[in-house]
Amino acid sequence: DGGITQSPKYLFRKEGQNVTLSCEQNLNHDAMYWYRQDPGQGLRLIYYSQIVNDFQKGDIAEGYSVSREKKESFPLTVTSAQKNPTAFYLCASSERDRGRTDTQYFGPGTRLTVL
Amino acid sequence: SQQGEEDPQALSIQEGENATMNCSYKTSINNLQWYRQNSGRGLVHLILIRSNEREKHSGRLRVTLDTSKKSSSLLITASRAADTASYFCATHAGGTSYGKLTFGQGTILTVHP
Repeated sequence: DGGITQSPKYLFRKEGQNVTLSCEQNLNHDAMYWYRQDPGQGLRLIYYSQIVNDFQKGDIAEGYSVSREKKESFPLTVTSAQKNPTAFYLCASSERDRGRTDTQYFGPGTRLTVL
Repeated sequence: SQQGEEDPQALSIQEGENATMNCSYKTSINNLQWYRQNSGRGLVHLILIRSNEREKHSGRLRVTLDTSKKSSSLLITASRAADTASYFCATHAGGTSYGKLTFGQGTILTVHP
């Protein structure tokens, strides 16, 4: 059963702590993305990776870090430098296809709450 | 920054009615995509329209694209209560922005049984 999994579904963090959100895909996609969604808002791109061992900052990368050591995995670390981390985090992946459609497939999301 | 702006922000209709949502964007695009999000869930891709296309259909969905006005619309015909969700447009700029989509703020659709 192919798809994208994110864990955990809910995450609580104390101020000053770093936390890592997991994203795994078995779709054999080269590209992976992390988005942040605030209540009633659209998605904002945090980081994206087009290939293993390479990633690029998105529009709101400050306070976040990522790694892409394996094709299937793209974990996101929310650091203590992120001033307002409470949000819904979505991971996505896409093929690198010639048609350049870049249709993205999304995981179920992780809701992070800072206490 | 958000490229897409969607209108209306919220739409409430009765089952069986049609729902129309609009999306405007600012820069040239390679394609425009529509996604659906049920409350608290991930997004699901609905339909894609390329910059050289004007209209596309998929089941009860109809999408139009007017590149001269930098706008798109999504029509859901004969709506059902199960269509209740948020709908987002996303633009792909092409060129060097490989893989990057820019999402609008979304339209919240409520379909009453």
